Amino acid sequence: GQNIDQPTEMTATEGAIVQINCTYQTSGFNGLFWYQQHAGEAPTFLSYNVLDGLEEKGRFSSFLSRSKGYSYLLLKELQMKDSASYLCASMDSNYQLIWGAGTKLIIKP
Amino acid sequence: GAVVSQHPSWVICKSGTSVKIECRSLDFQATTMFWYRQFPKQSLMLMATSNEGSKATYEQGVEKDKFLINHASLTLSTLTVTSAHPEDSSFYICSAPAGSATGPSPLHFGNGTRLTVT
Repeated sequence: GQNIDQPTEMTATEGAIVQINCTYQTSGFNGLFWYQQHAGEAPTFLSYNVLDGLEEKGRFSSFLSRSKGYSYLLLKELQMKDSASYLCASMDSNYQLIWGAGTKLIIKP
Repeated sequence: GAVVSQHPSWVICKSGTSVKIECRSLDFQATTMFWYRQFPKQSLMLMATSNEGSKATYEQGVEKDKFLINHASLTLSTLTVTSAHPEDSSFYICSAPAGSATGPSPLHFGNGTRLTVT
């Protein structure tokens, strides 16, 4: 079957670092996406990994291990505006996205 | 970057009426568009895949006669919620892949439409 798991909620402190994990089981894996969604808004694209390793984009980095079916999103120098839900999605052999339920990240001062 | 425009942003309608939501790709052509629904504090749920020039593909459990999808051009897809009921109140979001429709490319989302049926 196809499945995505990520924590429901995480709390972190402003200025700190947080890692949001995602595990997946996807037939015909074609990559792993991370999206950010603020409350009441549509998701916005953050990153895409299809090869193993770390992709860095400013304060955000995303990691993929295909052999382990595992990815994480790393957020550095957290700001209050980073409070949002972070959605992990894997792409299957039909190029369809399988969505996780999202991780609500709460940033405290 | 790729922009997807969705209209209206919010709509309130009476039970039994129909509502049309438009989704446009502004700076790229989209042979495929996806329609999602999201209830409060829940994940995105794919409703249907809209294909330009052909019939939409609906996910299991989504009534095709209730949620009418038309993809008449490479830049416009519409979702019409017919005979809306209060349980149809939700956040509807369209999206389109900016690259090849059959290759790995990020989905770009419209801003969503918040539908409230009274």
